[in-house]
Amino acid sequence: ILNVEQSPQSLHVQEGDSTNFTCSFPSSNFYALHWYRWETAKSPEALFVMTLNGDEKKKGRISATLNTKEGYSYLYIKGSQPEDSATYLCAFVMEYGNKLVFGAGTILRVKS
Amino acid sequence: ETGVTQTPRHLVMGMTNKKSLKCEQHLGHNAMYWYKQSAKKPLELMFVYNFKEQTENNSVPSRFSPECPNSSHLFLHLHTLQPEDSALYLCASSRDREGGYTFGSGTRLTVV
Repeated sequence: ILNVEQSPQSLHVQEGDSTNFTCSFPSSNFYALHWYRWETAKSPEALFVMTLNGDEKKKGRISATLNTKEGYSYLYIKGSQPEDSATYLCAFVMEYGNKLVFGAGTILRVKS
Repeated sequence: ETGVTQTPRHLVMGMTNKKSLKCEQHLGHNAMYWYKQSAKKPLELMFVYNFKEQTENNSVPSRFSPECPNSSHLFLHLHTLQPEDSALYLCASSRDREGGYTFGSGTRLTVV
């Protein structure tokens, strides 16, 4: 059974704070790690797809790192804004097959 | 709009009804997926189709019957559902294993 764990479960921060979340996944048979942002009443939106150990990706104030040997990825948000409020999902892709196995997500609420 | 359209957005059905969920994408993607999200649970994969062929059935009960007539359309036929099948059903598509998934807005299903 594949287990993808995300922490924390939820996070409340003030506008301007920087924050980070963790995604843990199996370190064997790794192919890719995805991050998605899911705002209420909208569709999950792809943020990053990461495949290489040591990969770092950035999109505006959001960045992510990947460690495939130890099975974790961090998502960082610099200077959080209220519009960053969403659920952040990570998902693991095994070496064989193309299905995503999702974590339960981290709910972020940014107060102005 | 993400490019993946799901209809209907909301559906209430009785346990003896038969209904279908529809998903459509014109992104040129080769793979399509059905996911289920029950309250307080991670997104759970149901079915995967690659080039119209079913490649994954994640032990889904037979009261859920998928159909993929072509690479752009995916259906989920529902019959004799149970109240515990009430959930958000999300469709997604992807070009290949390298890219992120594009999700629809989902169908919120309530079984009464």
